[in-house]
Amino acid sequence: GEDVEQSLFLSVREGDSSVINCTYTDSSSTYLYWYKQEPGAGLQLLTYIFSNMDMKQDQRLTVLLNKKDKHLSLRIADTQTGDSAIYFCAESRDQAGTALIFGKGTTLSVSS
Amino acid sequence: DAGVTQSPTHLIKTRGQQVTLRCSPISGHKSVSWYQQVLGQGPQFIFQYYEKEERGRGNFPDRFSARQFPNYSSELNVNALLLGDSALYLCASSIFQGQAFFGQGTRLTVV
Repeated sequence: GEDVEQSLFLSVREGDSSVINCTYTDSSSTYLYWYKQEPGAGLQLLTYIFSNMDMKQDQRLTVLLNKKDKHLSLRIADTQTGDSAIYFCAESRDQAGTALIFGKGTTLSVSS
Repeated sequence: DAGVTQSPTHLIKTRGQQVTLRCSPISGHKSVSWYQQVLGQGPQFIFQYYEKEERGRGNFPDRFSARQFPNYSSELNVNALLLGDSALYLCASSIFQGQAFFGQGTRLTVV
């Protein structure tokens, strides 16, 4: 398909792990990104992965990339209430790596 | 370090009017991109500028235009505003190839 797809909603308890999934569209995309958006705010770059990598870990965040299935996931360990936000997956299809195609976003709700 | 700054933060315009939104990139970043985020959706790519030249354009009508200045700041102009242009307009800056860092956005309401 033409769209970057994400599940719309995820609810977890504080301290659990969260896994947000994304299916992207272009196997030649060079960079794949995860952004976080809190209510009324802009986008915060959380992490990114280059297309020749399978995994990237950054503190509580783990990104897994399956190029064959064009599947990207973001795992947040020890999820906190402050992690409640909308998470966007994005791919860059152009060589500059800056014309990003976003999914509709996954709303993560963390309950205490 | 100052991040990407956008002005104004909010504005209200009437249908048919014109609007100009402004963006200052992170120091040292020469690429600026503009995105439109309608409520409940992900951002949609409008334009990318690098070294004052348009390097990419999304699927938006000619009412949308932009430019980049010698100091790498940028303006987005929208003419003949429609109700459907109401959205959060996001600016992102980057080194030409690399991660895009976003500003807080300008919330445009067209009435």
